[in-house]
Amino acid sequence: DAKTTQPTSMDCAEGRAANLPCNHSTISGNEYVYWYRQIHSQGPQYIIHGLKNNETNEMASLIITEDRKSSTLILPHATLRDTAVYYCIVFYNQGGKLIFGQGTELSVKP
Amino acid sequence: DTAVSQTPKYLVTQMGNDKSIKCEQNLGHDTMYWYKQDSKKFLKIMFSYNNKELIINETVPNRFSPKSPDKAHLNLHINSLELGDSAVYFCASSPVAAGNTIYFGEGSWLTVV
Repeated sequence: DAKTTQPTSMDCAEGRAANLPCNHSTISGNEYVYWYRQIHSQGPQYIIHGLKNNETNEMASLIITEDRKSSTLILPHATLRDTAVYYCIVFYNQGGKLIFGQGTELSVKP
Repeated sequence: DTAVSQTPKYLVTQMGNDKSIKCEQNLGHDTMYWYKQDSKKFLKIMFSYNNKELIINETVPNRFSPKSPDKAHLNLHINSLELGDSAVYFCASSPVAAGNTIYFGEGSWLTVV
């Protein structure tokens, strides 16, 4: 099973970019990188996903290294409402088994 | 409209009771899931159904029995509740079984006393 490694916690100043790293050195060619977040007492929320290319949507950008062994989620202008646990997940394309690790607890501070 | 809805949101019950948590999705998805989040905050998949057919069963005690009357519903029935069953249970759905975004409900907080 491909696993991910993320820092346990990070701080970010409000209005600044939050860059959340993730290592997935054993990822295989057909596995996607997904990012979810969980705000306290809510269900996990999809943010973005990618296979090889960098991706951007209205919430965030995903930068995947060329060897696909690591990625970075970028929240361009973090707000207090972005305080949450962020999960980097390698999604197996067989059986739909989304496996969550411990994630990164991001605290956005005024 | 809530895409994935679960009821009840909060449930407090005594050990030994049988309880059910209901889940409905109005997204037209083929696949539905149950996840459990324990006190240590780890999210673990329990079950997955695709078009009413069980495709994932993650070594969950057989006191837990999912039931899918149609592809828009996946209910979780728990028999003989134990203290260790206290957790937050999340229902989720996705368009197909693999390579697609999964959408989660808001969770059902189960407390067994």
